[in-house]
This record gives sequence, structure tokens and C-alpha cells, in this order.
Amino acid sequence: DAGVIQSPRHEVTEMGQEVTLRCKPISGHNSLFWYRQTMMRGLELLIYFNNNVPIDDSGMPEDRFSAKMPNASFSTLKIQPSEPRDSAVYFCASQRRWNTEAFFGQGTRLTVV
Amino acid sequence: EDKVVQSPLSLVVHEGDTVTLNCSYEVTNFRSLLWYKQEKKAPTFLFMLTSSGIEKKSGRLSSILDKKELSSILNITATQTGDSAIYLCGSASNSGYALNFGKGTSLLVTP
Repeated sequence: DAGVIQSPRHEVTEMGQEVTLRCKPISGHNSLFWYRQTMMRGLELLIYFNNNVPIDDSGMPEDRFSAKMPNASFSTLKIQPSEPRDSAVYFCASQRRWNTEAFFGQGTRLTVV
Repeated sequence: EDKVVQSPLSLVVHEGDTVTLNCSYEVTNFRSLLWYKQEKKAPTFLFMLTSSGIEKKSGRLSSILDKKELSSILNITATQTGDSAIYLCGSASNSGYALNFGKGTSLLVTP
């Protein structure tokens, strides 16, 4: 299995632009998570899906952030408009079922200038 | 609000030393505690702990959960430079699926 696949690996964008991050979870995994990691705040949960349905989006910082999971093999996290404080590494992770470990993708390093 | 606190935040040791990393948690309806190692990029899974007092071991790494003290430790014996990484502790509750992580312990092992 290729693991969780994220794209792009790096993204540099100007403030105000729309950014879309993509994730392909491991096949057969029922849950998908989006995390954001910064030095100051560590690894924070943004949103998670179970069977493609958003379960908890309380970690999404603002309305500028949105996430979708149109099918079991694809999810996006969109930031519109982006701001410099959104600069972070964004991780996607997937989990086979409840009470098992989550597997992380390689992350997308986002820099908003 | 659920909380996970790791200590120390950073640590520098010499190769061959033994280290102990700490994780304490406050979780409503606790289910399990997980340890991950993060080198350059993606966190990789080390251990999942659900029962108190049962040690999990993998090579030079071991971990144990103390539900009475609401804590866990991760031990690394005979450290090597390849152990240099951020070690993350995450808690899971029966109320949801997602892991809530601490800020991590950054370990540097010098030759």
C-alpha cells in the first residue's frame, strides 16, 4: 500500500489567494483526519470524517477553512482567502476503524507570504 | 476540554544514554493513548496503550500506561543518533475517533 498521499508537498502562495490541499487515504480506511502543525501550537485537529461524513469540524479555525470528502478515496482542505498566519504543515491521516492507529501522510508545507 | 501535556519539551542526550519521556492526559471517557515518532515529516506509529500496567515493547523502546496517575511514559534505552526526533503522545476518547496530541518532546541524541 502506498500509504496516505498528500499533494502538493510544498505550497507558497500570496496572501488572499485560494489554496487547496489534497489527500488520498489508505484504501479501506473509514476515517480521515486533517491536522495542522506549528511550532507554537503543536499538532491540532482541524476536522475529521467517518465514512465520508464530517463528524467534527470544531477545530476549523475560521470560515475561511473548508473541507470536503466527496468519496472514500479523496479529500480536500481549502483555505480562501489565505493569510500569513495559516502558514503551517498540514497533515492528513486515515484510520481503518475505531480504536486503531492513524496513519499520516507526508504533509503539505504551506507558506503564505 | 481534553488535554495532553508532554514533558520535557526538549531533551539532549549522548548516545548510549537512557531517556524517559512523559505524557499526562485529562480525557473525558478515555479510551487509549498512542505514541508516535516524527522525524523529518510524517508521524509514524509506535505504541497504543489501553490497559494500565501492561508494558509494550519494541526493541529498545518501551511504554506503559498508568490510568490511576493519568499518565504514560516512553523509555528509550541505549539511545542512538537515529532516535533523534519529536515524540508525540496522543489520547483517544470513546466519544470520538480523533487523536488529541500534546506538543511533543524534541529529542536530540548526540554522538
